[in-house]
Amino acid sequence: AQTVTQSQPEMSVQEAETVTLSCTYDTSENNYYLFWYKQPPSRQMILVIRQEAYKQQNATENRFSVNFQKAAKSFSLKISDSQLGDTAMYFCAFRTISSGSARQLTFGSGTQLTVLP
Amino acid sequence: DGGITQSPKYLFRKEGQNVTLSCEQNLNHDAMYWYRQDPGQGLRLIYYSQIVNDFQKGDIAEGYSVSREKKESFPLTVTSAQKNPTAFYLCASSPLTALNTEAFFGQGTRLTVV
Repeated sequence: AQTVTQSQPEMSVQEAETVTLSCTYDTSENNYYLFWYKQPPSRQMILVIRQEAYKQQNATENRFSVNFQKAAKSFSLKISDSQLGDTAMYFCAFRTISSGSARQLTFGSGTQLTVLP
Repeated sequence: DGGITQSPKYLFRKEGQNVTLSCEQNLNHDAMYWYRQDPGQGLRLIYYSQIVNDFQKGDIAEGYSVSREKKESFPLTVTSAQKNPTAFYLCASSPLTALNTEAFFGQGTRLTVV
């Protein structure tokens, strides 16, 4: 079974600064997918960024980038030039490619990020 | 527009009652999932389904039941056997063939026992 750990329940950052959210996971699989989801106060889950485990290059989406360390099973999210709208709960998620589990997502416990004006 | 619709947004249940949460998708996705969200615990999988008329228990299936009679629909029933049903429930769907495709989520149902 896969597990995902987010060790920072809460974080804050000043507007326009950079913040990094941590995520580690445990799996015996070699190929899988990792995601960061954002859940704002509306509680709608929004995909922020995805990483394919067989790709060495770290994924980037505008102000969001990841530091994927496969050997260390680490998948951190960096938010640059933080904006007030980035205030949300952030979830790290792991997705197996094994078909037996319908490729379900396994989530971490989340990090509540607050961007301060 | 394609998406996932959950209803109702808020639901109140008396102790001892069964309630059913609706989840409908028009994305033509094969897989559908139900997650429960509690503070500090992230999202935990209740049930999932890969195909019509088939579904599997997730990590916390006790006290819940589902059906998958149509590809588009995956309702969740919270039974009286669920001892602590107050939570936020999220339904999701995804294709099974596009492995890097993320799951798409509905807007959730907040269930409160009164």
